[in-house]
Amino acid sequence: NAGVTQTPKFQVLKTGQSMTLQCAQDMNHNSMYWYRQDPGMGLRLIYYSASEGTTDKGEVPNGYNVSRLNKREFSLRLESAAPSQTSVYFCASSEAGLVSYEQYFGPGTRLTVT
Amino acid sequence: GDSVTQMEGPVTLSEEACLTINCTYTATGYPSLFWYVQYPGEGLQLLLKATKADDKGSNKGFEATYRKETTSFHLEKGSVQVSDSAVYFCALRPRGSQGNLIFGKGTKLSVKP
Repeated sequence: NAGVTQTPKFQVLKTGQSMTLQCAQDMNHNSMYWYRQDPGMGLRLIYYSASEGTTDKGEVPNGYNVSRLNKREFSLRLESAAPSQTSVYFCASSEAGLVSYEQYFGPGTRLTVT
Repeated sequence: GDSVTQMEGPVTLSEEACLTINCTYTATGYPSLFWYVQYPGEGLQLLLKATKADDKGSNKGFEATYRKETTSFHLEKGSVQVSDSAVYFCALRPRGSQGNLIFGKGTKLSVKP
């Protein structure tokens, strides 16, 4: 049971390049999330998927797209990377229908855009 | 909108000292409240949670009580260890949301031997 896995762990992009961050969970969770973490800002929600086949914008969606490929996988795409997207990206998952809505986090992807 | 405010760090303590990290929130209704911990180079892990007023969450010697009257969820530990050095995040899940969490900015704790 690996929990939430993310690839890659590190990535350096040039401005204007594109890339996709991959996330998978093996806990049979319905809901999945993408956050970015910046110094002094905490974590901010980019997009989430409450269930397979649905996606919704979070607090900071501009410049990103997501795909809920199946129940296990939720990818985040940067179509044209900008230096402002330099950050650490975390994927998370949770059960739906539980009051506590505990989220389980992956180890993160550290992205640098030059 | 809903928000979380936690004390700014960094906080530096000696081993066996007492810890309090303040957290207050603004939300409509009765949110669920969480403390997450992030060790260097790792993702976030749930430390403890509380889902209704007066609930006390506890884990690994840490405690926090959901105080509706003061809209607070302060994290406490009686005797910290070097291994507690990490960044601590307070978070809330708005009642009726799709499970989204709203995080505070985090408080970095360093414990010296």
